[in-house]
Amino acid sequence: GEDVEQSLFLSVREGDSSVINCTYTDSSSTYLYWYKQEPGAGLQLLTYIFSNMDMKQDQRLTVLLNKKDKHLSLRIADTQTGDSAIYFCAESITLGGNTGKLIFGQGTTLQVKP
Amino acid sequence: GAVVSQHPSRVICKSGTSVKIECRSLDFQATTMFWYRQFPKKSLMLMATSNEGSKATYEQGVEKDKFLINHASLTLSTLTVTSAHPEDSSFYICSALLAGSPYEQYFGPGTRLTVT
Repeated sequence: GEDVEQSLFLSVREGDSSVINCTYTDSSSTYLYWYKQEPGAGLQLLTYIFSNMDMKQDQRLTVLLNKKDKHLSLRIADTQTGDSAIYFCAESITLGGNTGKLIFGQGTTLQVKP
Repeated sequence: GAVVSQHPSRVICKSGTSVKIECRSLDFQATTMFWYRQFPKKSLMLMATSNEGSKATYEQGVEKDKFLINHASLTLSTLTVTSAHPEDSSFYICSALLAGSPYEQYFGPGTRLTVT
């Protein structure tokens, strides 16, 4: 079945770049997403990438997609303390059509040290 | 825009009672909403897909008689946890898929359920 894997923890210093990695299994996924979750809150959509793209940049965020290796990464430039949160990678499930169903990774806790 | 609300944000109930959680898309229509459950420090587990005007589709292992889902309008879906037990205590999160969009999915802030 579908599976999404992420490393569980990343610690960086304020001002450094953060790179959060994710691997997925469903090669037919049309969309891949990055969500941010702060403590006690819901998920905030940060960015998404279509499977026919290699890269997407949005201000401090850069998403890289290696479809051959089924590897997705999120780079946060100039990481700030406010970026401390859990980051979830998700892939869309396309079996049976594009239903909007998502499979989430375990989440990567990003700790930003001042 | 694209705001999803959940009510209540927190609820404590006694074992054996039922609890209803509402999920609303405030400024857009959503023909499809999803209900997730999240355990502490764990990922989100999809429970069911809720389609407006039809029966919900439950994921394997989710008891449909225990977790009743109703999607009565294009902006409201409800999840009722029936005969709640302490093991049902969890963080329940809904999401709404923007009507006509295959990828724009927005999440609610979650509901913390504690069953005593």
